[in-house]
Amino acid sequence: GQQVMQIPQYQHVQEGEDFTTYCNSSTTLSNIQWYKQRPGGHPVFLIQLVKSGEVKKQKRLTFQFGEAKKNSSLHITATQTTDVGTYFCAGGAGGTSYGKLTFGQGTILTVHP
Amino acid sequence: DGGITQSPKYLFRKEGQNVTLSCEQNLNHDAMYWYRQDPGQGLRLIYYSQIVNDFQKGDIAEGYSVSREKKESFPLTVTSAQKNPTAFYLCASSMGWGRWNTEAFFGQGTRLTVV
Repeated sequence: GQQVMQIPQYQHVQEGEDFTTYCNSSTTLSNIQWYKQRPGGHPVFLIQLVKSGEVKKQKRLTFQFGEAKKNSSLHITATQTTDVGTYFCAGGAGGTSYGKLTFGQGTILTVHP
Repeated sequence: DGGITQSPKYLFRKEGQNVTLSCEQNLNHDAMYWYRQDPGQGLRLIYYSQIVNDFQKGDIAEGYSVSREKKESFPLTVTSAQKNPTAFYLCASSMGWGRWNTEAFFGQGTRLTVV
């Protein structure tokens, strides 16, 4: 079945440093979503990418979807303490698995002031 | 106030007992999902439903059962066959239709502890 792998599992940065998390799928995705989960909270939607090679920006966050629609990345420029949390990618399947949304393991980001 | 509600927030059960977790949404969403979250393993899909009276197994469906008799409700039963049921359970919903998934809204989660 579809597998979505995410690296790294943990990332510790000093405030002001950049951060990147990577997501790879074993199969071609119809779309990819990114979520953020604050400690003790539930995942909250950040963005969705659907086109091959798509790049979207939200302030200090840059999201990319690979040309083959099998990988994606989230880059945060100049991290702040408010960026702390777990970042998940979630791959949407097509075809007979239409509607299935598979999450990666997540990257836990710690930002030291 | 629209949203997705899970209850209870904390649940304790004895080993060997079945337990049902509630998930209700008033967002008029067609699709609903159940995920299990364990430390270091992210969110693993248990079951999902695209429409009333229809649901599909996810990646870890063994030991779980669901029903989707109403659009608003998608209860999850953790049966005694589930070998390691202690976990944080998250329910989500989304509009669902179309070629792509749409934004998923999550409930606050239920933390189940089996003793």
